[in-house]
Amino acid sequence: DGGITQSPKYLFRKEGQNVTLSCEQNLNHDAMYWYRQDPGQGLRLIYYSQIVNDFQKGDIAEGYSVSREKKESFPLTVTSAQKNPTAFYLCASSIRPGAGGPEAFFGQGTRLTVV
Amino acid sequence: AQSVTQLDSQVPVFEEAPVELRCNYSSSVSVYLFWYVQYPNQGLQLLLKYLSGSTLVKGINGFEAEFNKSQTSFHLRKPSVHISDTAEYFCAVRPPYGGATNKLIFGTGTLLAVQP
Repeated sequence: DGGITQSPKYLFRKEGQNVTLSCEQNLNHDAMYWYRQDPGQGLRLIYYSQIVNDFQKGDIAEGYSVSREKKESFPLTVTSAQKNPTAFYLCASSIRPGAGGPEAFFGQGTRLTVV
Repeated sequence: AQSVTQLDSQVPVFEEAPVELRCNYSSSVSVYLFWYVQYPNQGLQLLLKYLSGSTLVKGINGFEAEFNKSQTSFHLRKPSVHISDTAEYFCAVRPPYGGATNKLIFGTGTLLAVQP
């Protein structure tokens, strides 16, 4: 079945450590996105990538980094510079413009807790 | 720039009653509109979308939404809710292709709490 796989589902890290969240898709989508979700704040865009080897900052990119070396993969690294990293992280993907519907498809999320 | 406002953070309703979740958007260009549902500790699932054409859009699980351009609204409705509809609902907009970006912009969400 096609879809987006985020791993792990739950992640615990000590303060000051970098951590990488995995996102893989087999939908052959060109665009991929990372969102952060906090209670009462909806979803905020961290980074997005429309093609391989290219990505742009979203609204809250500080303290995060990404790479897009393969079409299928868009890992997110939460660095020690992120002041409040505990949150629910959602990865999404969408087809390239003009090739189909503009909706995004989401993974099941990773809940990161920093202690 | 686009923005989305969901006026109600929480909507309590009794089972089998009708419900409306409100969404207003702001944009200087035409947009695509979406409603997503999120169950606890899960990702978002697309309920329905408006791209063009008929302003009444039907989605999954018996939900529908009406696009009103003059009021810049895209309210979500269901004539009779079930306990299983308890979830958080997000309204989102996206500029049409050819815009500066294709990213989705979300509202802050509305928690639909269905009570027996």
